[in-house]
Amino acid sequence: DSGVTQTPKHLITATGQRVTLRCSPRSGDLSVYWYQQSLDQGLQFLIQYYNGEERAKGNILERFSAQQFPDLHSELNLSSLELGDSALYFCASSLRLAGSQETQYFGPGTRLLVL
Amino acid sequence: GIQVEQSPPDLILQEGANSTLRCNFSDSVNNLQWFHQNPWGQLINLFYIPSGTKQNGRLSATTVATERYSLLYISSSQTTDSGVYFCAVERGPGNQFYFGTGTSLTVIP
Repeated sequence: DSGVTQTPKHLITATGQRVTLRCSPRSGDLSVYWYQQSLDQGLQFLIQYYNGEERAKGNILERFSAQQFPDLHSELNLSSLELGDSALYFCASSLRLAGSQETQYFGPGTRLLVL
Repeated sequence: GIQVEQSPPDLILQEGANSTLRCNFSDSVNNLQWFHQNPWGQLINLFYIPSGTKQNGRLSATTVATERYSLLYISSSQTTDSGVYFCAVERGPGNQFYFGTGTSLTVIP
């Protein structure tokens, strides 16, 4: 158990809908990262937050948004869902900013299926 | 963005064998990580290794940043080593991460 929790574990929804994925980092970790893993795109970095502020942005679509709250949990919002958004969404946390050789600890992921 | 290529794409080993996985990247990077995704999907960070060599038990990694490649060595492989090994590089500004397509390792008893 990495100490990072993600909810829900599974999510099935329809095209055009909106969903929210939640991540609680390890106790004391200030950085949260979101990743998407799909069969055709592989693993992709979406976005990173540090202590409530956005610090790095990767291949995150405009239909997607994220935030980190004062209690450091983070939410990833996916809207106007398309079939191609079906994927495993991972959250990871680390103590400090990337680049400081801090290990990232991954949650178990949320598996999203868009029908 | 930066291109990250991993080889081989697939590897099947007998238990006890050694293996070397390679990660090539197309530009200078701030950092490099190796991850293992087990057959149940759990991702585990193995190494942060922007340069040099690190060892952790039966695993070791070497990154030659000037030549833009990294190697992951697995010695005396065990069935629990099965899964997919990903290399990811970190590049600024903004410390974005770019993943390779992974090496799928199967260790047979």
